[in-house]
Amino acid sequence: EADIYQTPRYLVIGTGKKITLECSQTMGHDKMYWYQQDPGMELHLIHYSYGVNSTEKGDLSSESTVSRIRTEHFPLTLESARPSHTSQYLCASSPGPATGLFFGSGTQLSVL
Amino acid sequence: GENVEQHPSTLSVQEGDSAVIKCTYSDSASNYFPWYKQELGKRPQLIIDIRSNVGEKKDQRIAVTLNKTAKHFSLHITETQPEDSAVYFCAGTGSARQLTFGSGTQLTVLP
Repeated sequence: EADIYQTPRYLVIGTGKKITLECSQTMGHDKMYWYQQDPGMELHLIHYSYGVNSTEKGDLSSESTVSRIRTEHFPLTLESARPSHTSQYLCASSPGPATGLFFGSGTQLSVL
Repeated sequence: GENVEQHPSTLSVQEGDSAVIKCTYSDSASNYFPWYKQELGKRPQLIIDIRSNVGEKKDQRIAVTLNKTAKHFSLHITETQPEDSAVYFCAGTGSARQLTFGSGTQLTVLP
């Protein structure tokens, strides 16, 4: 079944650790996104990609990086986790510009 | 860039009544306006969308209206049911063709 998959579902780590949140989609979509969201609150765009080897920064990108080596894979890396990074991270994809986003189930990150 | 404002932030209705959520946008180049429903602990899901060449779109109990002149669009839910309780987000594309989300509306349907 075509879907967008995120791992891990939950992650608890200590301050200063480097972490990578995984996102893969079998939707065949070119565009992929990372959003940060506190429970029930606004979605903030962190990074996005138009396709392989394309990455762009969103509003909250300064403390993270992404890569897009394969169409289906769009991992997000935090170089040094801080308690302020505690949040839910949602990966999404879309078939093109000005179209609806399909979201993954999210990774709930807690930084102690 | 695009700025999307959403009102109200919370909305309580009696089961069977209608609910209306309103959004305004700033970028006249915006041409696509989706609505998402997010239940507690779950991912946002697209429930309906509208493009700028259409004034209204309906899907069963859900409808969206768009007023391009006034730069606002609204979600209408009729005959509300307890399972409609969720956070609803509007969004709009700007000239950058990226979706900008509203701040969300917590809808509670009271039995």
